[in-house]
Amino acid sequence: QKEVEQDPGPLSVPEGAIVSLNCTYSNSAFQYFMWYRQYSRKGPELLMYTYSSGNKEDGRFTAQVDKSSKYISLFIRDSQPSDSATYLCAMSAASGGSEKLVFGKGTKLTVNP
Amino acid sequence: GAGVSQSPRYKVAKRGQDVALRCDPISGHVSLFWYQQALGQGPEFLTYFQNEAQLDKSGLPSDRFFAERPEGSVSTLKIQRTQQEDSAVYLCASSDDVGQFFGPGTRLTVL
Repeated sequence: QKEVEQDPGPLSVPEGAIVSLNCTYSNSAFQYFMWYRQYSRKGPELLMYTYSSGNKEDGRFTAQVDKSSKYISLFIRDSQPSDSATYLCAMSAASGGSEKLVFGKGTKLTVNP
Repeated sequence: GAGVSQSPRYKVAKRGQDVALRCDPISGHVSLFWYQQALGQGPEFLTYFQNEAQLDKSGLPSDRFFAERPEGSVSTLKIQRTQQEDSAVYLCASSDDVGQFFGPGTRLTVL
C-alpha cells in the first residue's frame, strides 16, 4: 500500500460544476498538506498549503484536512475550462523547506465548456 | 529570475550515455529538491540539499545517479550509463521553508 492514495480519474465535469478531489494517507506523522496543479508538460504549481487539520479557502479553492480520518480534500467552485489539469496532493511531516514531499498519483480533471 | 529554471527541457540519450541535468533555483532559497516523475505518476523524491550540503539522498534509485550543489545555488543531477527505465521527467524544486516551488522539468528519453 502506498503512503498516499489518490484516485487518478479521469474526472470530467461541465463548466460551473463543483469539483471534489481527495486523497487518503497512512502515515500519521504527516502534518503539512499541499495541493498542486500540473498542466500538461509543465511543472507542478502550488495551489494550497495547510498545516494540520482544518479548512483553508483561497478564491474558488477550498482545502480541507481531517487528520483523524487521514483524509484531505480540495474543492473547486464554479469550475472553469482553465482548471483542466492534473491535481496532485502532497504531504510531509515537516514544513516544505526541510523535508521531502510524498505525492499522490494525481487526478486528471477536464472541465467542459 | 522569477522562478525555478531547468535545462535542457528535453534530452534524448542512447542507452549507456551519461547525462547532466541543471537546475537554477529561486534566488535566496536555501533548500533544493530533485524529484522523478514517471508517466501518469506523481513525483517521487530523489535527493535534497540545504545550501551545498546534501542532507538526504535516500531516493536515488542507484549509484548511477549523482547530484551536487557545490556553491549552494545551481544544482546538477547526473545520471551515468543511462538505462531505458531512467526515462522520466526530472523535476527540481526550491523552497522558502514553506512551500516547494517547481521548475518545468527535464524530460529524459533513453533509447
